[in-house]
Amino acid sequence: DVKVTQSSRYLVKRTGEKVFLECVQDMDHENMFWYRQDPGLGLRLIYFSYDVKMKEKGDIPEGYSVSREKKERFSLILESASTNQTSMYLCASSLAGAFYEQYFGPGTRLTVT
Amino acid sequence: DQQVKQNSPSLSVQEGRISILNCDYTNSMFDYFLWYKKYPAEGPTFLISISSIKDKNEDGRFTVFLNKSAKHLSLHIVPSQPGDSAVYFCAASAHNNDMRFGAGTRLTVKP
Repeated sequence: DVKVTQSSRYLVKRTGEKVFLECVQDMDHENMFWYRQDPGLGLRLIYFSYDVKMKEKGDIPEGYSVSREKKERFSLILESASTNQTSMYLCASSLAGAFYEQYFGPGTRLTVT
Repeated sequence: DQQVKQNSPSLSVQEGRISILNCDYTNSMFDYFLWYKKYPAEGPTFLISISSIKDKNEDGRFTVFLNKSAKHLSLHIVPSQPGDSAVYFCAASAHNNDMRFGAGTRLTVKP
C-alpha cells in the first residue's frame, strides 16, 4: 500500500527557531512536494523536487528551504520560524509520469508562538 | 491570486441523493483538472481527473463535468453515501508542473 509519512502530527515552536519537517515515501516516487494548507486558501505549493538534490520553487518559497539527499526523503526547513508560518504542512509524492496524481501524507500542524 | 475557486465552503445532502460540487477557474491555459478528497486527520487522496479534450469523465459513482467556455467544472456523486463526507478540493494545471488548488468544499452526507 502506498505510504507517505511525516515526522510529526503536531509541532509547537518559538519565533526564530529553526524547524525541520521530514517526509518519507516508500513508493519509489521521483517527485516530492511540500504544501501548506490555510483556511480559505486551499493548498499552496512551497517547493517540489523531481529528483535527488533537485528542487524547484513553488508559489510561496519565501522563508523556506528544502533538502533531498535521498530519493525517499524530502525535508522542509524553516530557517527562522515566524508566526505567519503557523499552518498545516502537507508532503506529497508522485511518479515522474503522473505529476498531478499525488499521494499525500497526513500533515503536520505547526504552531509558531 | 486565486485562479481556482470553490465558492461553496460547505454542502449538505441526504444519503442517496446527488451531490454536486462546483469549481470555477480563471486561467484559460489550464488543461487538466483533478478532484481530491480529504478526510479529517488524513492527507488528500486523488479521486478523479479530466483532460480539456473531454467534457465528461466517469468513475463509478463519481462523474466530473467540464465546461471550458464557462471555465467551470463540477463533481457529481450519485448516490451520495455517508462515507463520502469529506472536504473536496478542485485542482487545475496547465501541464507546466504547476497545479493550483481551490479552497475546498466540505460535503456532509446525512443518513
